[in-house]
Amino acid sequence: SQQGEEDPQALSIQEGENATMNCSYKTSINNLQWYRQNSGRGLVHLILIRSNEREKHSGRLRVTLDTSKKSSSLLITASRAADTASYFCATDVKYGNKLVFGAGTILRVKS
Amino acid sequence: EAGVVQSPRYKIIEKKQPVAFWCNPISGHNTLYWYRQNLGQGPELLIRYENEEAVDDSQLPKDRFSAERLKGVDSTLKIQPAELGDSAVYLCASSIGRVHYEQYFGPGTRLTVT
Repeated sequence: SQQGEEDPQALSIQEGENATMNCSYKTSINNLQWYRQNSGRGLVHLILIRSNEREKHSGRLRVTLDTSKKSSSLLITASRAADTASYFCATDVKYGNKLVFGAGTILRVKS
Repeated sequence: EAGVVQSPRYKIIEKKQPVAFWCNPISGHNTLYWYRQNLGQGPELLIRYENEEAVDDSQLPKDRFSAERLKGVDSTLKIQPAELGDSAVYLCASSIGRVHYEQYFGPGTRLTVT
């Protein structure tokens, strides 16, 4: 079973716009990670946020984590056509010693 | 640095045939993972190795799947016999430490069972 659930399932935006994806999970975590997958480069790690952190930035990426609501969001600012991909949240489940991936959000950035 | 290497990239077999996938992790990464990814889903862990030891194989269908990691480096995942439902992408990943660190994924092997 998959703990993380991304929302929306699919998102289509124009180049230059911001894209926001959400992830909800069910049990306590050590950290939450976001990955991107496209046909060209496979699955690539984007950012890791620990359970005691609330916000993290990396370039055009901003991730927030609300452990009280068991949710996270990934914001991509000033999107580019090259950002077109599937985005997965993965939770490092406490006491589980494994990463559990959600089903992903498909992002399409139109130029 | 070289990434995670997997072969083959694509494999088409008939049901009941055996198949094997090979993975070479990033040098120095002692933790290796095999995942299966079905169409439209995220990867699901099959087995995790720390060095040579399989520390989590709870999701590996042991009646037909087997894996090994000799000398704590390369790994092989085998399916025998394959079933139609085994069609998926098989991903190998490695990390420098235990699961709490970021994982580096290979390109995957797309298996089609006919």
